Amino acid sequence: DVKVTQSSRYLVKRTGEKVFLECVQDMDHENMFWYRQDPGLGLRLIYFSYDVKMKEKGDIPEGYSVSREKKERFSLILESASTNQTSMYLCASRVGDGYTFGSGTRLTVV
Amino acid sequence: AQTVTQSQPEMSVQEAETVTLSCTYDTSESNYYLFWYKQPPSRQMILVIRQEAYKQQNATENRFSVNFQKAAKSFSLKISDSQLGDTAMYFCAFRSVNGGATNKLIFGTGTLLAVQP
Repeated sequence: DVKVTQSSRYLVKRTGEKVFLECVQDMDHENMFWYRQDPGLGLRLIYFSYDVKMKEKGDIPEGYSVSREKKERFSLILESASTNQTSMYLCASRVGDGYTFGSGTRLTVV
Repeated sequence: AQTVTQSQPEMSVQEAETVTLSCTYDTSESNYYLFWYKQPPSRQMILVIRQEAYKQQNATENRFSVNFQKAAKSFSLKISDSQLGDTAMYFCAFRSVNGGATNKLIFGTGTLLAVQP
């Protein structure tokens, strides 16, 4: 089975800090995604990547950037964390129609 | 742009009974995929069932089945013989078959299902 691992389950950061959320998949998938999950809003796509160093903006990219230097790793970066970025972040990878999700990182910005 | 709507934020069902979760979507495409995902308290998203739009037959996976009404753009999930382990957030999702920037999952807002003993 494909495994998608998110490095932190819970994270607390201060306003203005640079935050890195890491996601690693173990099956050589080309497509990887970062979603943000908020109550009443469902999952919204922040960024996705279809190959190393290739990325595209999703629906809510403002305040975020991403990095994909190696195929297995897709990082989400909050350049200057703000309280409105407090949320659950889910990473996913895909091959064909098979999506595999990580267990999420619950980020709190104080 | 495609949208997915789940109009029931919360639902409750007694153990062993049947419950139906609603989902409607909007698209101008004729071929696409629809999904139901389950997210239990562990937060792990689990695929429950998948439907390809060009297939007329409704998908079924054990106690889970869908009622796919393409003309009405409706995709409801029926859970039969509900079990306590079915307690979770359920998300309906859409994916275009086109490649490129549209090749992403679009989610509804979710329905929180509580199965009562």
